[in-house]
Amino acid sequence: GAVVSQHPSRVICKSGTSVKIECRSLDFQATTMFWYRQFPKKSLMLMATSNEGSKATYEQGVEKDKFLINHASLTLSTLTVTSAHPEDSSFYICSAWGQGRVYGYTFGSGTRLTVV
Amino acid sequence: GNSVTQMEGPVTLSEEAFLTINCTYTATGYPSLFWYVQYPGEGLQLLLKATKADDKGSNKGFEATYRKETTSFHLEKGSVQVSDSAVYFCALHFGNEKLTFGTGTRLTIIP
Repeated sequence: GAVVSQHPSRVICKSGTSVKIECRSLDFQATTMFWYRQFPKKSLMLMATSNEGSKATYEQGVEKDKFLINHASLTLSTLTVTSAHPEDSSFYICSAWGQGRVYGYTFGSGTRLTVV
Repeated sequence: GNSVTQMEGPVTLSEEAFLTINCTYTATGYPSLFWYVQYPGEGLQLLLKATKADDKGSNKGFEATYRKETTSFHLEKGSVQVSDSAVYFCALHFGNEKLTFGTGTRLTIIP
């Protein structure tokens, strides 16, 4: 079946630094990838949608300069949290939509970001 | 716009009890419907899905039937296990558009 690998699973960084999270589709081509943020005991909040080779579309209220998304290939999308602050601490999850087959949405295992 | 309304949790049941988690939706047209499960500290896994009216999705003893007349997709399991403890999300989408999630229902099964 379709697999999406997300790394790292956990990261702790200092306030003011940047963190990059990778999302890879291992056995299919992902024309569209979605990035979500999940607060404790809450549902998923869609942050942005990225299509391969084009700029990401951000949801209202999401700072595009803080959350940089790059979808450079059909198998890789990255989310960079720039100048991270403690309020950026959260669980980030990516999801990929496959091309050519009915994979539906496949989710990564998530990244727990803690900014200290 | 599209929306999903899901049973508020948390839900606590004893092992072998019958489970129902209600889910209703609002959408223009006929979306695909999904149940996802999230175990502690993990991402979401697709539990089951249905793509048209009267379809029944099933997996791991869980079932849900796409009811067009009541715009519902309730999740059921006849006999739950401790290992079923997780957060369950109902969701819908059209084509490759973004998923619309319910708020999630936390399920805890006690031995």
